[in-house]
Amino acid sequence: EIVLTQSPGTLSLSPGERATLSCRASQSVSSSYLAWYQQKPGQAPRLLIYGASSRATGIPDRFSGSGSGTDFTLTISRLEPEDFAVYYCQQYGSSPRHTFGPGTKVDIK
Amino acid sequence: EVQLLESGGGLVQPGGSLRLSCAASGFTFSSYAMSWVRQAPGKGLEWVSAISGSGGSTYYADSVKGRFTISRDNSKNTLYLQMNSLRAEDTAVYYCAKEGKQLHYMDVWGKGTTVTVSS
Repeated sequence: EIVLTQSPGTLSLSPGERATLSCRASQSVSSSYLAWYQQKPGQAPRLLIYGASSRATGIPDRFSGSGSGTDFTLTISRLEPEDFAVYYCQQYGSSPRHTFGPGTKVDIK
Repeated sequence: EVQLLESGGGLVQPGGSLRLSCAASGFTFSSYAMSWVRQAPGKGLEWVSAISGSGGSTYYADSVKGRFTISRDNSKNTLYLQMNSLRAEDTAVYYCAKEGKQLHYMDVWGKGTTVTVSS
C-alpha cells in the first residue's frame, strides 16, 4: 500500500508570497495518477491538478504541479486571498484504489 | 452543468444501517467510474469505495470492506452506498465524486451528506 506524506503540515504565508507544498510517496507513483485538490472550510474538495502537472478546467495559472517518482510539488506562484485553504495530494493505484495525503493547510501569516 | 447531489445522511445508532444516494446530472453517468470519499470531523479525506461505469467492478477501503456496499442504477443516474454495522468512527461527511475516464482523478464532487453514528 502506497502512503502519501505531505509537508509542511501548515504553511503560514502572506498574500503575494510563493507557496511550495510537498507530497512524498512511500513508493514510486505514476505521474499520470497524481492529483492535487483544494478544500476550503465547509466546502467539497476541488480538483486543481491532475497527471502531476496538468491544470484542471478553470484553475488559474498561478497553480502549477511538478514531480515524478516519489516526490511531487504543488506551487502557488503568488498567493491570492482565496488561496488560503487545505491542499491534498492523491494517487490512484491498485489497492487501495485511491490514497490521499494528510493535507497541508496554507494560512495567512 | 455537471452536478452531483448526495442525500440520505443522518443520525444512526451504532450497529445500524443507512443508505446514501448520489444523483448525477449533466454527463453520461454510465461512462464514468464513481467514488465515495469521506471526511471525519476535523480530519482529512479518506477514500471509501468506487464502482466502474457498468457497475461490474467494485472496490473498497479495508476500513469498510464487508460492511459497506456500493452500487449504481445507470437508468436513474444514481450512485448508492449501503452502510451496515455502522460504528462511531464512520461519522463523517460523505462525498460522491466522478472519476476521470483514464487517469481516475476526481473532477466533480458533490456537496456532501453528513452521517453521525451515535447512541
